[in-house]
Amino acid sequence: SQQGEEDPQALSIQEGENATMNCSYKTSINNLQWYRQNSGRGLVHLILIRSNEREKHSGRLRVTLDTSKKSSSLLITASRAADTASYFCATVEVGGSNYKLTFGKGTLLTVNP
Amino acid sequence: DAGVIQSPRHEVTEMGQEVTLRCKPISGHNSLFWYRQTMMRGLELLIYFNNNVPIDDSGMPEDRFSAKMPNASFSTLKIQPSEPRDSAVYFCASSRGPGQGSWGYTFGSGTRLTVV
Repeated sequence: SQQGEEDPQALSIQEGENATMNCSYKTSINNLQWYRQNSGRGLVHLILIRSNEREKHSGRLRVTLDTSKKSSSLLITASRAADTASYFCATVEVGGSNYKLTFGKGTLLTVNP
Repeated sequence: DAGVIQSPRHEVTEMGQEVTLRCKPISGHNSLFWYRQTMMRGLELLIYFNNNVPIDDSGMPEDRFSAKMPNASFSTLKIQPSEPRDSAVYFCASSRGPGQGSWGYTFGSGTRLTVV
């Protein structure tokens, strides 16, 4: 079953613009992670935010977490054509297995040069 | 580190045949996961191992699917007999512990399985 739901399903922007993707989830979580998947490749871990954190940065990435709304956002600033990929959020649930990541269906981001 | 290594990259097989997918996790990672990805269902966790022991196989769709991890550096996912609806990309991922859920996963490049 899907825990995270990304929004929008697809996003097309111009190079240099910012891209924002959202993720909603259903249960209490230990942490939330974002992954990127280029076409035909495996997923690459981008960033992890714990349930007691509200914001985290990594390079051009900014992730926020609102546990009261059970939602997270991923912001990519100054996008590049190479950022074109699918982006997935994944959660580790509280009370569940500490090993298990549940993924959403992803947002397909297209950055046009 | 070469990352998580999966083989083969592509597999085309006829319905009814046995298929074996292979995975070598990153050295030192204690947990190994098998996922299946399709357009319709997204990424589904099939089974995961911790210290070579299967912890949760509730995602394995049918008895036709089986997975083993005989040692810390090797795992297999077997489908016997294969069916067209098994066509998907199968990913292996590994993670280090303790508190594996607090670390990101490292994914392999996947095996694209087509059953005709």
